[in-house]
Amino acid sequence: AQTVTQSQPEMSVQEAETVTLSCTYDTSESDYYLFWYKQPPSRQMILVIRQEAYKQQNATENRFSVNFQKAAKSFSLKISDSQLGDAAMYFCAYISDSGTYKYIFGTGTRLKVLA
Amino acid sequence: DAGVTQSPTHLIKTRGQQVTLRCSPKSGHDTVSWYQQALGQGPQFIFQYYEEEERQRGNFPDRFSGHQFPNYSSELNVNALLLGDSALYLCASSVDTSAYNEQFFGPGTRLTVL
Repeated sequence: AQTVTQSQPEMSVQEAETVTLSCTYDTSESDYYLFWYKQPPSRQMILVIRQEAYKQQNATENRFSVNFQKAAKSFSLKISDSQLGDAAMYFCAYISDSGTYKYIFGTGTRLKVLA
Repeated sequence: DAGVTQSPTHLIKTRGQQVTLRCSPKSGHDTVSWYQQALGQGPQFIFQYYEEEERQRGNFPDRFSGHQFPNYSSELNVNALLLGDSALYLCASSVDTSAYNEQFFGPGTRLTVL
């Protein structure tokens, strides 16, 4: 069974600094997708960035980028120039490309941004 | 364009009762998934509905059931509530033909079981 692990329950970063959130996963599949979701206090999950496993190039979205290491089954999120609005729970998620429909989430990392 | 909406926002029930939660998908979406998010945890997949049928189910007991209507909206029913059912219930909608079943989440229903 696939699993997603986030080993950092909480992280803090100074405003305008850079922070990296860690995620590891376990799967025997070769084709899959990985995501980072943000859940602010409003509770609504927002997609931050996604990565297709067949792509070697790391995904980037403005201040957000990932370090995808397929062999190591590692998928970290780097947030540059952190802003107060980045404070939230961040969840790493996985979905297989083999016809399953369920997303598998990690337990989350709470990010605090210090002014 | 309205996103995914859920009702009610909050709900308080007592053990043994039954509850129904509702979800309206994003316009143009035909698939609805339900997730349970316990406090301090990530969302856990309950099931997914497509074409008014349950297409895939997670590791949840039969007390959890659902329905999808012809307009693609969906209900989640939980019978014989237990204290452990207290959680945030998230609905996510998607288009069946989309890559990786890209899911858009609603704001959730906070269920408290006393």
